[in-house]
Order: sequence, then structure tokens, then C-alpha cells
Amino acid sequence: AQRVTQPEKLLSVFKGAPVELKCNYSYSGSPELFWYVQYSRQRLQLLLRHISRESIKGFTADLNKGETSFHLKKPFAQEEDSAMYYCALRDTGFQKLVFGTGTRLLVSP
Amino acid sequence: DTEVTQTPKHLVMGMTNKKSLKCEQHMGHRAMYWYKQKAKKPPELMFVYSYEKLSINESVPSRFSPECPNSSLLNLHLHALQPEDSALYLCASSQDRAGAQDDEQFFGPGTRLTVL
Repeated sequence: AQRVTQPEKLLSVFKGAPVELKCNYSYSGSPELFWYVQYSRQRLQLLLRHISRESIKGFTADLNKGETSFHLKKPFAQEEDSAMYYCALRDTGFQKLVFGTGTRLLVSP
Repeated sequence: DTEVTQTPKHLVMGMTNKKSLKCEQHMGHRAMYWYKQKAKKPPELMFVYSYEKLSINESVPSRFSPECPNSSLLNLHLHALQPEDSALYLCASSQDRAGAQDDEQFFGPGTRLTVL
């Protein structure tokens, strides 16, 4: 069965500090991994996906198939990064997204 | 128009009521989704419509009845709900290019449902 684990419910850092939000998955097929973000009072939106290997708002995430991880990283956190972050998995060619339990990132000044 | 809209924003209903949630998109997407999100929990998929046909039903109780009248609209009909059905109901849409790795799901703001 597909499973996504985000071990931290809350991650609190100071502005300018590095950030790493952890995501591990279990799936035997060929998964696609995503990070979704939900800012306060805004809708859930896609932040980035592993296939694009791009950096969005300074965030990057690398898929490590050996460790079955897709951690989200940013070298210098900003206050506006404070939000709820969900890691999600989708089987290639299918529509179902499975979300992790989410990590709330709080960046303090 | 690049957004998914949902109405109403809030809904309070009794266990004997019948109500409907509505979702609309005008991005030409051919897949539409219903998710349920309980407080402090992640979204959980309920239904998927692909080209106006139900393609996924995640064993949802029959008191929830989805409907896709056309490619732009998605409804969720509610009847005889229980208090534990209180949640945020999210709609999403995507282009639905099967196998396409860039088939992004766009989410609506949700309808917050309270069942008394």
C-alpha cells in the first residue's frame, strides 16, 4: 500500500536558518512525489514535484529512491514560508494522490 | 479563469437534510476530484471523475453521492449525514493526461461542512 510519512508535526526555525522538512514514502511501484503548501487562509497549492527538479521559492527536493525519501529543503528560511506543507505520492499513470500528515513550518523573525 | 471555485463556503445541516456541494472550473480540465479533510489531518481522496465518468470511488458511504453534469461542474450530494462527516470538502481538477507526470491538481478553497 502507498504510504507517506512526515515525522514532524511542527518545525519552528528562525528567519535565515536552513530548513529541512522530512518525507519518507513506502511504495513498490514507480511513484511520483510532490510537495503541496497551504498558506494561512489560502487554498492548497502545488509547490514542486520531483520530475521537474526545479527550485520554487528557494525550495528544492530530491527524490532518493534508495532511502525512499523526498525531503524539502531551503537554505535560508523566510517568514513568508510559514505554512502547512504536505508531501504527496502518486502512482505513475494514475490519478490518486496520497498525502502525508503534514508539517507546519513556523519561521520566526 | 484559472481557479477552481466551490460553493458554499460554509454549510450547516441536520442529519435528515439533503444538501449539495458545488465545484466549478473553466480551465478545460477533464478530471475532477472530491477530497475530505478532517481537522489537522491531510486530504483524503473520495471520488475521481475522468471525462465525466466516475473512475475512482474510495469506498465512500452511499450518503455521499457525486455527480458530474458536464466537464466544468462537479457536485457532491449529501443525504442523511452523520456528525462525524463534518469536515472541509475540497474539490480539485487536472488536465487528466493519463501517464503524464506533469498532470497537476488544482484545488478549490473548500466547503466547510458541519453536521448537527
